[in-house]
Amino acid sequence: QQQVKQSPQSLIVQKGGISIINCAYENTAFDYFPWYQQFPGKGPALLIAIRPDVSEKKEGRFTISFNKSAKQFSLHIMDSQPGDSATYFCAASRTRNTGFQKLVFGTGTRLLVSP
Amino acid sequence: SAVISQKPSRDICQRGTSLTIQCQVDSQVTMMFWYRQQPGQSLTLIATANQGSEATYESGFVIDKFPISRPNLTFSTLTVSNMSPEDSSIYLCSATREFGYGYTFGSGTRLTVV
Repeated sequence: QQQVKQSPQSLIVQKGGISIINCAYENTAFDYFPWYQQFPGKGPALLIAIRPDVSEKKEGRFTISFNKSAKQFSLHIMDSQPGDSATYFCAASRTRNTGFQKLVFGTGTRLLVSP
Repeated sequence: SAVISQKPSRDICQRGTSLTIQCQVDSQVTMMFWYRQQPGQSLTLIATANQGSEATYESGFVIDKFPISRPNLTFSTLTVSNMSPEDSSIYLCSATREFGYGYTFGSGTRLTVV
C-alpha cells in the first residue's frame, strides 16, 4: 500500500514534443505528490508538486495532472528540450502530522529528448 | 529550500574499512534523512536522522552497519561500517524544513568498495 508505480521506465521524445510520465498510488492518506528531476552525478531536485485538492498545477513547461478518484498523477513536459533529458521520479507522502510518513518514490523514468 | 552540502562527493575504499559521510545544511531544518541509490535505480530510505536521539532505521538497515549522528539542526553524518563491495552505491542526504514536504537533496556521495 506504500508503493508508487511509475511508467514508462524510459522515454524518447523529439525536441518540441510532449513528454508524459505517469504514476499511480494506493495509499489514500497520501496528500503531497512531488516530482523530482535528477541529472547524472547530481541529487534529485524538486521540480513541481501538487496536493489532491487541485486537479492540475502548471509551472512553465511543466504540468502535473492529478486524478484523485483514479489515484493517479502525471507529469507533462511541454515543448520538450534536450536539456530536459534526465531521470524523473514521482513521489508521495503524507503531511498531516499524525506521525511521520516517509517520502515514497516511484521507480524513475529516464527521459531522452532527441535534437 | 534548504541548500545541502555533502562530502566527500566520491570515494574508493577498501573492504572492511568504514567511511563517514557528512551532510551540512545552510539553515535549520526539521528533519534530515539518508538515502541509498544504486546507479540507474530509485532511492531507498536508510534512516531518519533525529536530532539529539537515535536515528530511525528502515527495514533492512541496522545501526551497527549504518550509524548516524545528528548533533544539531543543520548537520548529520552517516557512517558505512565494515564495508563490502555490496555497499558500493550513491548515498544521499535529504532535509526538509516543513513536516512532510519540500524535501531537498544533496548531490550525493558515490562510494566504491574494492
